[in-house]
Amino acid sequence: QKEVEQNSGPLSVPEGAIASLNCTYSDRGSQSFFWYRQYSGKSPELIMFIYSNGDKEDGRFTAQLNKASQYVSLLIRDSQPSDSATYLCAVNTGGGSEKLVFGKGTKLTVNP
Amino acid sequence: DVKVTQSSRYLVKRTGEKVFLECVQDMDHENMFWYRQDPGLGLRLIYFSYDVKMKEKGDIPEGYSVSREKKERFSLILESASTNQTSMYLCASRTQEGVGTDTQYFGPGTRLTVL
Repeated sequence: QKEVEQNSGPLSVPEGAIASLNCTYSDRGSQSFFWYRQYSGKSPELIMFIYSNGDKEDGRFTAQLNKASQYVSLLIRDSQPSDSATYLCAVNTGGGSEKLVFGKGTKLTVNP
Repeated sequence: DVKVTQSSRYLVKRTGEKVFLECVQDMDHENMFWYRQDPGLGLRLIYFSYDVKMKEKGDIPEGYSVSREKKERFSLILESASTNQTSMYLCASRTQEGVGTDTQYFGPGTRLTVL
């Protein structure tokens, strides 16, 4: 069973701080990794994807991938109250699979 | 921008009814997916389709069926709705053109209540 694990939280940070969200996965052959943000009552929206080891930055968001340790993380710099949401980690395990395996999500609260 | 639409945002049905949930995407994507999302259980894949008239079971297909007669449309059918099928249903689509394109895009979701 291919698994993606996330700390369910809630993770609470003050406005302006760095929020760090972590995700581990079980399948060593996994090839692509995604972070989705989901506001309460809404559908997931893609924030970032990463395929290669290292860091990938997009504005205030940085995704970090370490395939040797099988983890992927999302850093949110200068956190804003509007970042308060549940963040879902998703992994494509490759081998031609069309499917993503999702973690259960980490709930982030940014306090003004 | 990818656009995935779902026929209803909210739906209330009675036990035993046959329920149709429709999903349409406008980006000519080959792959389409149906998930349900429940508190504490996360997103669970019900069925997916990798091309027209092609379908494959996901992790929880029991009680559901699907139809994909046209590339842009993927329907989820609850043959006889039960109260344990009360959930948020999410449709997603994805292109299959190659590495770097396997992002799934979600529709707005349908919150189904079965009484």
